[in-house]
Amino acid sequence: SQTIHQWPATLVQPVGSPLSLECTVEGTSNPNLYWYRQAAGRGLQLLFYSVGIGQISSEVPQNLSASRPQDRQFILSSKKLLLSDSGFYLCAWSHGRGTTQYFGPGTRLTVL
Amino acid sequence: ELKVEQNPLFLSMQEGKNYTIYCNYSTTSDRLYWYRQDPGKSLESLFVLLSNGAVKQEGRLMASLDTKARLSTLHITAAVHDLSATYFCAVDLLYSGAGSYQLTFGKGTKLSVIP
Repeated sequence: SQTIHQWPATLVQPVGSPLSLECTVEGTSNPNLYWYRQAAGRGLQLLFYSVGIGQISSEVPQNLSASRPQDRQFILSSKKLLLSDSGFYLCAWSHGRGTTQYFGPGTRLTVL
Repeated sequence: ELKVEQNPLFLSMQEGKNYTIYCNYSTTSDRLYWYRQDPGKSLESLFVLLSNGAVKQEGRLMASLDTKARLSTLHITAAVHDLSATYFCAVDLLYSGAGSYQLTFGKGTKLSVIP
């Protein structure tokens, strides 16, 4: 069966500091990978998706970036965090386009 | 731009009662998902509805899709406290029938079932 991991689970960072969140998927190959952000009490916003190694598509202009160095690894980064970057970051995977997306446990980021 | 609206956004109901959550969307699509989120937790997939008239049931939850009305419903039968959670619908913007990479989520319905 497939499992998806995210770390860290929680993170408190000062404004202007860098960020690196990691997501890995087990039990499948060549998954589509996604990064979402959920602001407090709100729905989900798609940030990035990837259909393969080194292939990243961005949905929303922001100071975040994503990378996929390995087939089942997806990384979300920032060089300088903003207060508005606070939120719950969720990684998800799917078998392909138009299929169910399965979410990881999430990382709760607080920027102070 | 695809817009997805859920109502109500907040729902407080007594155990044993029935209720329906509505999900309306603005653009043609025949692929809709329902997810559950417990407080502080991730999203759990509940249902995927892939065609007009599709109906899926799991325990006390039943989801349906009317693509002509651009409406999905999540019906709760004889609610129990364990169903307390936030429920999201998400719509897939189709491209040539193959689905897209982007799900557009509603804002969620926070359900509280009171004993």
